[in-house]
Amino acid sequence: RKEVEQDPGPFNVPEGATVAFNCTYSNSASQSFFWYRQDCRKEPKLLMSVYSSGNEDGRFTAQLNRASQYISLLIRDSKLSDSATYLCVVRGDNAGNMLTFGGGTRLMVKP
Amino acid sequence: NAGVTQTPKFQVLKTGQSMTLQCAQDMNHNSMYWYRQDPGMGLRLIYYSASEGTTDKGEVPNGYNVSRLNKREFSLRLESAAPSQTSVYFCASSADFYREQYFGPGTRLTVT
Repeated sequence: RKEVEQDPGPFNVPEGATVAFNCTYSNSASQSFFWYRQDCRKEPKLLMSVYSSGNEDGRFTAQLNRASQYISLLIRDSKLSDSATYLCVVRGDNAGNMLTFGGGTRLMVKP
Repeated sequence: NAGVTQTPKFQVLKTGQSMTLQCAQDMNHNSMYWYRQDPGMGLRLIYYSASEGTTDKGEVPNGYNVSRLNKREFSLRLESAAPSQTSVYFCASSADFYREQYFGPGTRLTVT
């Protein structure tokens, strides 16, 4: 089982739709969680950290479910500019506390 | 602030050639990292430097060496390039080892 798993998609949604991605992680002792966004042929950019209580940043909401070992990202009122790959990132308790990146979920928002 | 910068943006090497990828950050971050990204594999850590003067191996260090030249700069060297090292290489930095990471624009390397 991969340490961090994501549905690769693509998720094709119309503008204005609400879309949600889940990401599962295998290490129950994982400490920190992030969502990054990566545009085609560009570097990953931090979208938001994920806190235990859940957090919201504008149209984006992130949730953490430690019992089921998954994190989610909800995007409301999708924009064309939201089209990108969304990377789930987990910091575990492995040696050195490295970040482990999921393979990404591709989102395509269409007019 | 430029953030994290990388040079070169593109490079083509022949098998057996060597090269150094350069990375610099102007955010006064303590920790720096080198990743490679391959289709279907996600980002994998090659080497990291938790603080100036230290370097450690990541998940895929074979075939690479690094130098933390000073607090700002962290270079990655391929001594004898192989086709398996064809990839996109990203440098990243973070304020300290447990904080979120910020990435440079990447170097696209092809080894023929």
